[in-house]
Amino acid sequence: DAKTTQPPSMDCAEGRAANLPCNHSTISGNEYVYWYRQIHSQGPQYIIHGLKNNETNEMASLIITEDRKSSTLILPHATLRDTAVYYCIVRAPEGGSQGNLIFGKGTKLSVKP
Amino acid sequence: DAGITQSPRHKVTETGTPVTLRCHQTENHRYMYWYRQDPGHGLRLIHYSYGVKDTDKGEVSDGYSVSRSKTEDFLLTLESATSSQTSVYFCAIRLGGGLEQFFGPGTRLTVL
Repeated sequence: DAKTTQPPSMDCAEGRAANLPCNHSTISGNEYVYWYRQIHSQGPQYIIHGLKNNETNEMASLIITEDRKSSTLILPHATLRDTAVYYCIVRAPEGGSQGNLIFGKGTKLSVKP
Repeated sequence: DAGITQSPRHKVTETGTPVTLRCHQTENHRYMYWYRQDPGHGLRLIHYSYGVKDTDKGEVSDGYSVSRSKTEDFLLTLESATSSQTSVYFCAIRLGGGLEQFFGPGTRLTVL
């Protein structure tokens, strides 16, 4: 599985866009980029995933560079409820025989009023 | 949203006692997972199931056993709880063929 690198923490002003980077320079051709977040004391929550095209859903946008070595999760209008730890996970779709997720340390995003 | 509940939500027990945590889903998802989360370690896979009576070990399975006699229930048992098993336990179900998983609310277990 490709190793990911994320900044340990970031701040964002409420109402502004939050741009969370992830480096995955050793990503393989069949590996997807998944983003999850974990709000304090809750279980992780799926946000979005992509292979090589940019993706958007009701929660966020995912921008993947053309060489696929890095990506950015964008929360277009951050709110206080978006304060959480955000995890970037790179893994083949079947996740090996187990299909489990492998979480790193993530980025602690603090949205401030 | 996938319906998934965990019980109990909080438990305090003593070293050496058996403990069973329950994960219940209201949909027919094949894959279910038990993770534990500890400061400095992130989430680690304990056991998983790919069907009724089909289970396998994860990264940190020592001291834990699981059972899945019905599609909707996945039980995690600590045969003889130790203080090192104090943790927050999360159950998850896998949605579809990719890695989109839906997590339960977690069980906070304290072993004294």
